[in-house]
Formats: sequence, C-alpha cells, structure tokens
Amino acid sequence: AQSVTQLDSQVPVFEEAPVELRCNYSSSVSVYLFWYVQYPNQGLQLLLKYLSGSTLVKGINGFEAEFNKSQTSFHLRKPSVHISDTAEYFCAVRWGYGNKLVFGAGTILRVKS
Amino acid sequence: EAQVTQNPRYLITVTGKKLTVTCSQNMNHEYMSWYRQDPGLGLRQIYYSMNVEVTDKGDVPEGYKVSRKEKRNFPLILESPSPNQTSLYFCASSQNVAETQYFGPGTRLLVL
Repeated sequence: AQSVTQLDSQVPVFEEAPVELRCNYSSSVSVYLFWYVQYPNQGLQLLLKYLSGSTLVKGINGFEAEFNKSQTSFHLRKPSVHISDTAEYFCAVRWGYGNKLVFGAGTILRVKS
Repeated sequence: EAQVTQNPRYLITVTGKKLTVTCSQNMNHEYMSWYRQDPGLGLRQIYYSMNVEVTDKGDVPEGYKVSRKEKRNFPLILESPSPNQTSLYFCASSQNVAETQYFGPGTRLLVL
C-alpha cells in the first residue's frame, strides 16, 4: 500500500537554528510531492510542491525541500527558524496518475526562544 | 476573495442523528475532497470528487456519504454518526488533483 512516513512526530528547536523535517514515501514511481503547514486552529496551506524539474524546490517563508528519488524522500529544511514557524507540518504525496493525495502523520515544529 | 467555506465550524451531536457538513468553493475548481484529521494519524481522505456527479471513495469512507450536484458544493453526510467519527474535518478544492489544494477552516465534530 502507498504510504507516507514522517519520521519525527515533534521537533523542538531554538530560534535562529536550522531545521530539517523528514518525509519518506513508499514507492519511487512517478510522484508529486507537497508540504503543507497548519498553524494552530487554522486550516492547511501550501508551503511548496514538486511536480517535475529541479529537485530542489523553494517555498514560502524561507523553506525549501529536496526530492531524492533513490531514497524516496522529500525532506523540508529551513536554515534559520523563527518563533512564528511553530506549527504542524504535513508531507503529502500523489502517485502517478492516481486521484488521491496521501498525507503523512505530521510533524510538530516547536521553536523556542 | 478565493476561499473554501465550511459550515458549521463546531458541532456536538448524539449517536445516530443524521447530520450534514457543507462545503463550498468560489474558485471554479473541479477537484474537491474531504479529510478527517486525528492526532497522530495526520489527514486521511474520506471521499473525493473529480467533477460534478463524479465521486469516489478515499481511504476511510465507511459511515460517510457525499454528493456533487453542483461544481461549487460538496457536502459531507453522516447518516448515523457514531463516537468514532468524532474528529476535525477539512474540505479542500483544487483545479485538478495535481495542483495545490485549498483548505477550508475545518469543522470540529463531537459525537456523544
């Protein structure tokens, strides 16, 4: 079955430190990859997406992610986090010509001063 | 303003009492979807719709129904709610399944 694994349920980090949120998926066939962010008591909004082309994708708020086909990963990174980045982050994958988007369980990023 | 709206935002009900959660989008999107969010499980897709009158099951469709009679609306129906359907529900829409999904604000449902 197709699955998306976010390896860390919570990531605590100090303000201005770098962060990496990890995402792996189950199959290396053609994929479309997304990272969404959910701020407290809000819906989800798109951070970035990979559909094709360059494997390094830049998104909003200084986030970027790299598609690694051989490792079936799409890790999210930010070189310097802010308190305002505290939120839950979801990785999502669509396989090939499928009609469904499968989400990971989420990673809560807690930025401390 | 482009948006997805859901109503109600909060709902407390009792087991077996039919309810409908409405979802509407004003972006002329073809693809619409319902998800439920539970702690530690992320978002799981309940149903999706590729276009008017075209719907299909997601990963957790049991106990839910949907309809897509108009492009802008995609209501979620719980014919006989049970406590295990207590959850946070999100509706989303996009131009097609490969494009960015726009999420509604969520509906928090408690079934007693």
